[in-house]
Parts: sequence; structure tokens; C-alpha cells
Amino acid sequence: KQEVTQIPAALSVPEGENLVLNCSFTDSAIYNLQWFRQDPGKGLTSLLLIQSSQREQTSGRLNASLDKSSGRSTLYIAASQPGDSATYLCAVRPGTSGNTGKLIFGQGTTLQVKP
Amino acid sequence: EAGVAQSPRYKIIEKRQSVAFWCNPISGHATLYWYQQILGQGPKLLIQFQNNGVVDDSQLPKDRFSAERLKGVDSTLKIQPAKLEDSAVYLCASSPVTGRQNEKLFFGSGTQLSVL
Repeated sequence: KQEVTQIPAALSVPEGENLVLNCSFTDSAIYNLQWFRQDPGKGLTSLLLIQSSQREQTSGRLNASLDKSSGRSTLYIAASQPGDSATYLCAVRPGTSGNTGKLIFGQGTTLQVKP
Repeated sequence: EAGVAQSPRYKIIEKRQSVAFWCNPISGHATLYWYQQILGQGPKLLIQFQNNGVVDDSQLPKDRFSAERLKGVDSTLKIQPAKLEDSAVYLCASSPVTGRQNEKLFFGSGTQLSVL
């Protein structure tokens, strides 16, 4: 059974700091891994999607890496800003999901960036 | 482009009452999902529709939860009767098609349910 874990559960950093969020998963048979952002009272916004054949994806100040063999992914945020404060969730699409779009989510890391 | 619409935003009910949530996906999206997110946890898939057919409902508590997507567009999720442990945010998501492994999902803002 695929399980996704995110550490730490919460993180507080001063503005301008570079930071790394961690995600681990137990079964390396995945189609892809996605990082989402969730603001309070809002839905999820997809930030980055890494296919199983890829090692990393970049979007602006965000860089996500994937090491499928070790079951790990990291989300790197450069030069953090107060507007980056949110909960960040990682999710994997299991390789056994067939034609379903089923995602298995971690519990999230709540980030606070202090001005 | 309009996003995934959900209503109501908030709902407070007493245990054993019934409740229904509504979702209108992005226009043209064939696939619709309902996820349940309990406080402090990641979302968990309840049911997935492809057009008006069910693709996956393996984690839907069918003794109390039901969902339909009669015309292959909007969808309703119902809980009857509600339990305290059903308190959660119910998220609706849609995607253009399924079967494409790297397709992104688009989420609505969710309905926050409190069962007292």
C-alpha cells in the first residue's frame, strides 16, 4: 500500500531564506509526483508535476526533484517571500492506478514566511 | 476560463442529519473527482467519474455516502446520515480526460462540513 509522508509538518522561516520541503513515498512504482499549494479556505493549486522518467522540474523560484529509487522528492523554494506562506502537499499517482486519476497525498507542510 | 465551482462553502449540521454538496467542473472536462480532506491530513479520493460513469469508488463509504453525475457535467455528493467523523473539507476536482498518466487535476475551493 502506497504511503506518502511529509516532513516537517510545519516550518517558519524569515523572508529571503532558501528552504527545502521533503516528501517520501513507500512504493517506487509511480507514474508521477506532484507538488500542490493550498491556501486557507482555498482549493489546491498544482505547482509542479514530475514524471517518473524525470529527475526535476522548475518553475520560477520553485524547483522539485524526484529520486524514485529511494522514494524521495524535495521542493526547493528560493528567496522565500511572505506570499509563499501556505500548506504544501505532495502527491503521487501510483503505477497501479490504471486509467484512474487517483492521487495519494501526504499530510502537508505548513509554511510561514515572516517579513 | 472559469474554474471548478463548488457550493456551499460551509455547512454545519447535527449528526444523523443529511447533507448534499454540489460541484460544477471546468467546461469540457470529462473526469470529475470528489476528495475528502480531514483536518491535518492530505485529501483522500472518495469517487471518480468518467463522464457519467463511475471509474473508482473503492474508498467511498457506501452505507452513508452517495454521488451522482447524471448528465456527465455537474455532480452531487450526499451524506445520509452524517457522523461526527465526516467533518472535513470536501474537494471537487476535474481533468480533461483520464487515461493520460501525466494529466493535471484542477481543484475547487471545497465545502467545509462541520458535524456537531
